[in-house]
Order: sequence, then C-alpha cells, then structure tokens
Amino acid sequence: QVQLVQSGAEVKAPGVSLKVSCKASGYTFTAHFIHWVRQAPGQGLEWMGRINCKNGDTDYAQQFQGRVTMTRDTSINTAYMELNRLTSDDTVTYYCAREILVVGSTAYDMWGQGTLVTVSS
Amino acid sequence: EILMTQSPATLSVSPGVRATLSCRASQSVSSKSAWYQQKPGQAPRLLIYDASTRATGIPARFSGSGSGTEFTLTISSLQPEDFAVYYCQQYANWPLTFGGGTKVEIK
Repeated sequence: QVQLVQSGAEVKAPGVSLKVSCKASGYTFTAHFIHWVRQAPGQGLEWMGRINCKNGDTDYAQQFQGRVTMTRDTSINTAYMELNRLTSDDTVTYYCAREILVVGSTAYDMWGQGTLVTVSS
Repeated sequence: EILMTQSPATLSVSPGVRATLSCRASQSVSSKSAWYQQKPGQAPRLLIYDASTRATGIPARFSGSGSGTEFTLTISSLQPEDFAVYYCQQYANWPLTFGGGTKVEIK
C-alpha cells in the first residue's frame, strides 16, 4: 500500500526541539522529494521546505532558515523534520507530502496523516 | 513571495449545483498551480495539477482552468462528499505558497 505514515502527536515545552518522522511505503522512496507543510488550527497551509530523498539536498522557506533541518534515512524509507526553539506559534499540524513525479510539477500527490504538535509550558 | 488570493472565502451551494472557485496570483505563475481538497480532520488531497490536469482517481466533475494569474476550479455538479475546503497552490517560484482557502458549504 502506497502511503506516508507520520509519528504521533506531541506536547513540547517552549524553547525545545521537535522531530517529526514520515515513513514511506509502497513506492521507491528515493524517486521523490518529500515536502513539509504545516497548518495552524482552522488556518491555511504553509510550506516549510523539501528534501531530495535521493541525495539529501534541501530547500527551506526563508522564515524557517536556521531553525529547521530536514533529513532522511534511506535504509528505512523515512524522512524527518526537526524544528528548534519552539514557540506557541509552532502549535500546528505538520504534514509531510510527496512531490508528484511529473516533470516541472511540484504538486503533492500523497500526504501523511498529519502530526499535531502543541507547544505549551 | 507570490501571494495566492482565493475567492470567495465561503461558497454556499446546494447539492447538484455547479460551483466555481477562483484563485488569483500576485504575479504570473504560468500553469504551475494546483488545487487541493481538505475535509475536517484529514490531510489535503490533490485534485488538479499543472492548472488543468486531474490527479489520479479524481472524478471528472472536477476541472481546472486558467494560466498566468487567474485560475478556476469548477465542480460541475456538487455531490455530498464535495463539501470541504479547497486550496490553490503555486509552484512557479520559491517559496511555494497556498491560497487562504474557499469553504464550500451546503446551502
């Protein structure tokens, strides 16, 4: 079954780090980019960045530069998103999404189920 | 950063009726746009990419059109399962950006 399965919900204290995993199955992991998108409660979608699962190259949104790190482990078909120095504004649902395999297109044809992160003291 | 503006914010329609959703980009994105559907508690689902190409498994009642700065998602005859929030996205320029969404609700 082709799917992305994310790690479970977390509660974090302000100032600490978060690491969310995204395990892929049913397809060739290294053939696609994985993007991370987040969504505040009742709000729209915000792109955070992407990782090339073949070579590990990354692109990050400017507002997260210096605070986010995206990695992958090809031995277990899993991508990771680590976000540092959490604040209450980081209380959102984080999604991983697979980039479609169409030349010139960066749409997402598969999404993880989402990971709700609550930042609270 | 390219701003994607969706209208209307809420669309109240009856089942069986045609729905037209709009998305405007702050600068040209050519055909590099997509539409997603999101239901409460679920991840978004890809409907349309490259402005007008239906994604795998998407019913023919969903169609996309437009290029440059103006894009439209049309649902030819709304089914009960189509009531949801719809987002447009551009991927012509970094950072990738999404519109604020249009909620399609039952009238």
